[in-house]
Amino acid sequence: EVRLVESGGVLVQPGGSLRLSCSASGFSFSSYGMHWVRQAPGKRVEYVSAISTSGTTTYHADSVKGRFTISRDNSNNTLWLQMSNLRPDDTAVYHCVKGGCSRLACWFDSWGQGTLVTVSS
Amino acid sequence: EIVMTQSPATLSVSPGERATLSCRASQSVNNLAWYQQKPGQTPRLLIYGASTRATGIPARFSGSGSGTEFTLTISSLQSEDFAVYFCQQYDNWPATFGQGTEVEIK
Repeated sequence: EVRLVESGGVLVQPGGSLRLSCSASGFSFSSYGMHWVRQAPGKRVEYVSAISTSGTTTYHADSVKGRFTISRDNSNNTLWLQMSNLRPDDTAVYHCVKGGCSRLACWFDSWGQGTLVTVSS
Repeated sequence: EIVMTQSPATLSVSPGERATLSCRASQSVNNLAWYQQKPGQTPRLLIYGASTRATGIPARFSGSGSGTEFTLTISSLQSEDFAVYFCQQYDNWPATFGQGTEVEIK
């Protein structure tokens, strides 16, 4: 069974930094593209970042480019999202998501429960 | 980025009836997925590639369409199907999502 467990979400002040982690199990982690998406209350799901199987290719949405960095450790089945210069509109539940294929342009076949990031003074 | 628009926002259906949900893309896409989300739960993949059912998804769920117009059909609604459904295009970066259609009990 695929398991994705996020951690690291907290209340942080505007301008602050945070690192989210996702521990993956139940599948061959290194074989799939991995992603972060976020969902703010009452809003549609928003794509945040993606990383290739090897970690050599990454993409970030324009709204987070230059502030967020996605990375992975295939030896420890872990995905991270380093977030800096946080803004109130970054407030959301952040989900770690497994791609359904090795390509980055892919559907999402497993979602973690998410970790809440609140940016507020 | 491609904007995904779903209609209707809310669909009231009686158990056993057919439900038809629409998803429109602001430009032509080839790759579309549908998800189901229940309160307090993570989204569940139903359909990918516009019409391929994901593993374990009952045959009453079907996807169709191409270009800019896509449809999710639930042939005979069961009690467990009342939920929010949203579409996603993963053709173009970034992948974008619809705002969702809530299927409620009539």
